[in-house]
Amino acid sequence: DSGVTQTPKHLITATGQRVTLRCSPRSGDLSVYWYQQSLDQGLQFLIQYYNGEERAKGNILERFSAQQFPDLHSELNLSSLELGDSALYFCASSVGGGVYEQYFGPGTRLTVT
Amino acid sequence: AQSVAQPEDQVNVAEGNPLTVKCTYSVSGNPYLFWYVQYPNRGLQFLLKYITGDNLVKGSYGFEAEFNKSQTSFHLKKPSALVSDSALYFCAVTYDYKLSFGAGTTVTVRA
Repeated sequence: DSGVTQTPKHLITATGQRVTLRCSPRSGDLSVYWYQQSLDQGLQFLIQYYNGEERAKGNILERFSAQQFPDLHSELNLSSLELGDSALYFCASSVGGGVYEQYFGPGTRLTVT
Repeated sequence: AQSVAQPEDQVNVAEGNPLTVKCTYSVSGNPYLFWYVQYPNRGLQFLLKYITGDNLVKGSYGFEAEFNKSQTSFHLKKPSALVSDSALYFCAVTYDYKLSFGAGTTVTVRA
């Protein structure tokens, strides 16, 4: 158990809908990262927050947004969902950025029908 | 752009034999390199990292990795593989607070 929690574990929704994925980092970690894993794209970095502020942005679509709250938990919002958004979404946390190893949650499997 | 490549999609070894998973990197400046492992239906787990210092890095579960600057490689090794080492292995490089992963190598250790 990494200490990172993600809810829900599974999510099935229809195209055009909006969903919110939630992540609680390990105790003491200030950085939260979001990743998307799919068979065709592999593991893609989406976005990072550090202590409530956006720190780095990767291949995140404009339909996707995230935030980190004062209690350091984070939410990833996915809107106008398309079939291609079906993937495993991971949250990870670390003490800081850069050289620090990341600890991954178990993921949320999103299926868009 | 900073990136890593894992040239092998799959590696198959017999239990008890040495295991090597290859990774090459392309970065400007000093690389910060990582290895992670993913078991089926699980999140990634950190194995080890190279930041600076000794070229041989020791990590979890008996794994180690050798940083080779001249060959721009960071291969993961284990002297004696176990069936339980069967998993998906990712090499990664960090830059500008982003972690960029390789495509992954599936390791199968047969009994």
